[in-house]
Amino acid sequence: AQSVTQPDIHITVSEGASLELRCNYSYGATPYLFWYVQSPGQGLQLLLKYFSGDTLVQGIKGFEAEFKRSQSSFNLRKPSVHWSDAAEYFCAVVLMEYGNKLVFGAGTILRVKS
Amino acid sequence: GAGVSQSPRYKVAKRGQDVALRCDPISGHVSLFWYQQALGQGPEFLTYFQNEAQLDKSGLPSDRFFAERPEGSVSTLKIQRTQQEDSAVYLCASRGPGANVLTFGAGSRLTVL
Repeated sequence: AQSVTQPDIHITVSEGASLELRCNYSYGATPYLFWYVQSPGQGLQLLLKYFSGDTLVQGIKGFEAEFKRSQSSFNLRKPSVHWSDAAEYFCAVVLMEYGNKLVFGAGTILRVKS
Repeated sequence: GAGVSQSPRYKVAKRGQDVALRCDPISGHVSLFWYQQALGQGPEFLTYFQNEAQLDKSGLPSDRFFAERPEGSVSTLKIQRTQQEDSAVYLCASRGPGANVLTFGAGSRLTVL
């Protein structure tokens, strides 16, 4: 079955440390790929997206993600985490043949310790 | 408007009551989506409109759930005879013509007692 997997439910990092959140998808074709962030009581905010071209994409708030076709992965990274980055992060994909629906992973909760 | 607006932000219903949740998308956005986000989970697709046409309702969990968008702008998600398992945040998103990015509203949190 087609799916989006975020293997880490919770991650805790120290402020100033680097961060990598994992995302894998199981679709035959290359989907459109997204990372969203959700703070408590807030809606989903788009961090970055990949449609085609350069496989390393830059987003807002200092985040970047790299698409690796061979690994069906789209991991999110940040070189130095700030306390305000504590939130839940969702990887999502769109497949046009599935009616343009955005399909989400289960999310990764990021905790930042000072 | 500048963003996707949802109301009410919070709704508490007794089991068996009917509820209606409203979504006002970004002006000019033809595509509108509803998602359900249960506690601790990612959003799950419910239904999708292109203008006033409901093109996909495969995610609606039961016939108690009904969505409409009669004039191709504001949409209403209605849940009849609410059950405790309907407790969730209901997210609305819209997308402009030719775009591939959804803009989400802040959501409506439904609690069924």
